[in-house]
Amino acid sequence: GENVEQHPSTLSVQEGDSAVIKCTYSDSASNYFPWYKQELGKGPQLIIDIRSNVGEKKDQRIAVTLNKTAKHFSLHITETQPEDSAVYFCAASSGSGNTGKLIFGQGTTLQVKP
Amino acid sequence: EPEVTQTPSHQVTQMGQEVILRCVPISNHLYFYWYRQILGQKVEFLVSFYNNEISEKSEIFDDQFSVERPDGSNFTLKIRSTKLEDSAMYFCASMSQGYNEQFFGPGTRLTVL
Repeated sequence: GENVEQHPSTLSVQEGDSAVIKCTYSDSASNYFPWYKQELGKGPQLIIDIRSNVGEKKDQRIAVTLNKTAKHFSLHITETQPEDSAVYFCAASSGSGNTGKLIFGQGTTLQVKP
Repeated sequence: EPEVTQTPSHQVTQMGQEVILRCVPISNHLYFYWYRQILGQKVEFLVSFYNNEISEKSEIFDDQFSVERPDGSNFTLKIRSTKLEDSAMYFCASMSQGYNEQFFGPGTRLTVL
């Protein structure tokens, strides 16, 4: 069935360093890949997304890359700040049936140490 | 900025009782979703709803679950007879026509005793 694997489960970096979170997906029909940030007690907030017709997208300190052949996509956060500390989820969505269902990865707890 | 709202923020119920979780999606959105997140685990898809009917549901969404959009603004999830394993955070999400971006509400924490 559809599955998204996410690594690492926890990530600790020093303020100012970069953080990279990686995901792989199983459904080759997946064509939309969002990343969500979840702070304690809150719902997931979309921070960046990428569609399958694009290989890379950047928004200030955040970038996402997609390798369709390898079914692999990654989140890159540069110049990390303490407020980046949160749980990050990758997800994949298939255009099949157009339901928009998201399949989430297991999440990465990012800790940015001041 | 428009946002998805959910009520209540926390619901405590006894096993076997019925609960209704309520959501108000973003007003011009047409696709609606329920997800759940058991403490410390990944977010799991439950059901998608479009054009007043279920478009897809997961294995979790069995006969005990139902969804409804009763009045054109609210979107509800009903669990008829709650079980201990239904304890989780339930998130509502909505999406507009032609886009993939889903916007999530703050969630309802359901505790079944």
